[in-house]
Amino acid sequence: NAGVMQNPRHLVRRRGQEARLRCSPMKGHSHVYWYRQLPEEGLKFMVYLQKENIIDESGMPKERFSAEFPKEGPSILRIQQVVRGDSAAYFCASSGQGSTDTQYFGPGTRLTVL
Amino acid sequence: KNQVEQSPQSLIILEGKNCTLQCNYTVSPFSNLRWYKQDTGRGPVSLTIMTFSENTKSNGRYTATLDADTKQSSLHITASQLSDSASYICVVSAGGAQKLVFGQGTRLTINP
Repeated sequence: NAGVMQNPRHLVRRRGQEARLRCSPMKGHSHVYWYRQLPEEGLKFMVYLQKENIIDESGMPKERFSAEFPKEGPSILRIQQVVRGDSAAYFCASSGQGSTDTQYFGPGTRLTVL
Repeated sequence: KNQVEQSPQSLIILEGKNCTLQCNYTVSPFSNLRWYKQDTGRGPVSLTIMTFSENTKSNGRYTATLDADTKQSSLHITASQLSDSASYICVVSAGGAQKLVFGQGTRLTINP
């Protein structure tokens, strides 16, 4: 049973380009969470999705960021017109039941904006 | 404001020694508290989870305690090993898995 998978592991973009980060949850998990970790800081919640639904996006920046979790395929975190401040590690986690269920984290995608 | 503060920020100990990491939180409502281990360049891995009614929980050489009255938790590591070198993150749930509040972590280094 594969764990949470994220790709790419490392992504380099120039300012103004788009970044697409993908997350495949653990088999059988239907809840996906995205977090951002800036250097020397703790993880910060961004968005919580279930299949085809955004449950909570209170941690998402109002502009340029969007997330989806389609019926088929991985969850996608999309950052348009990236800026240097977007450079961070982006972690995806999944859980089976939500609520108090343990979240299992992927290895993260390290985004560097030049 | 929901916050989780951890101390110390970093800690260096010799292999075989014990250590205790601290976590103070101001999170409401309180659902549960978890400790995660994060190796460099990897995602966090859950060590323990405790609800309001639990005072202590062990996972091998890791023992977590929770005092819900003082809103403090600790993670005790016994007989440390080189592989324990990592960041240890205290995470408090403010009701629902999407309301996790993360501490900044304690960076633990085990020297031979």
